[in-house]
Amino acid sequence: AQTVTQSQPEMSVQEAETVTLSCTYDTSESDYYLFWYKQPPSRQMILVIRQEAYKQQNATENRFSVNFQKAAKSFSLKISDSQLGDAAMYFCAYRSAYRGTASKLTFGTGTRLQVTL
Amino acid sequence: EAGVVQSPRYKIIEKKQPVAFWCNPISGHNTLYWYLQNLGQGPELLIRYENEEAVDDSQLPKDRFSAERLKGVDSTLKIQPAELGDSAVYLCASSSGTASYNEQFFGPGTRLTVL
Repeated sequence: AQTVTQSQPEMSVQEAETVTLSCTYDTSESDYYLFWYKQPPSRQMILVIRQEAYKQQNATENRFSVNFQKAAKSFSLKISDSQLGDAAMYFCAYRSAYRGTASKLTFGTGTRLQVTL
Repeated sequence: EAGVVQSPRYKIIEKKQPVAFWCNPISGHNTLYWYLQNLGQGPELLIRYENEEAVDDSQLPKDRFSAERLKGVDSTLKIQPAELGDSAVYLCASSSGTASYNEQFFGPGTRLTVL
């Protein structure tokens, strides 16, 4: 079974600064997808960024980028130029690419990000 | 385009009472998911529907939980009877297919408190 570990329960960053959230995972599969989801307080979870395991290039979405290290099974999220609206819970998630198990998202325990002035 | 709709947003009940949650997925999405999110944890899949068929319900506690998606659109998740440990957020999500690249869109969730 796959597991996802987020070892930072809480992180804090000053507005306009850069912060990196860590995520490691365990799997025996070679083809899979990794995700970072953002869950603001009392609001719905939204997808921030997605990485396909067979792509070596790290995904980037505006101020959000990932550092994907497949051999180390590490998938960190970097938020540049942090904004107050970035404050939320961030979840790392794994999804198999194999038929039958492909739909199941396995989440980590989350990292609560605070953004200060 | 409307997102995934869930109701109620909040529900407080006494233990041993029944409770039901409703989900309306994004129009055209044939795959629907129910997740359980305990406080301080990530969501965990309870059940997945493809159209009206439950194709993965291995994590659903079938002694007290039930779900249905009669016409392959809306879905209802029921707990009967509720226990104190059922206090959590129940999330509904939908996607246009089950392939890994199909993004899952989440609803705002129903926060259940069992007293």
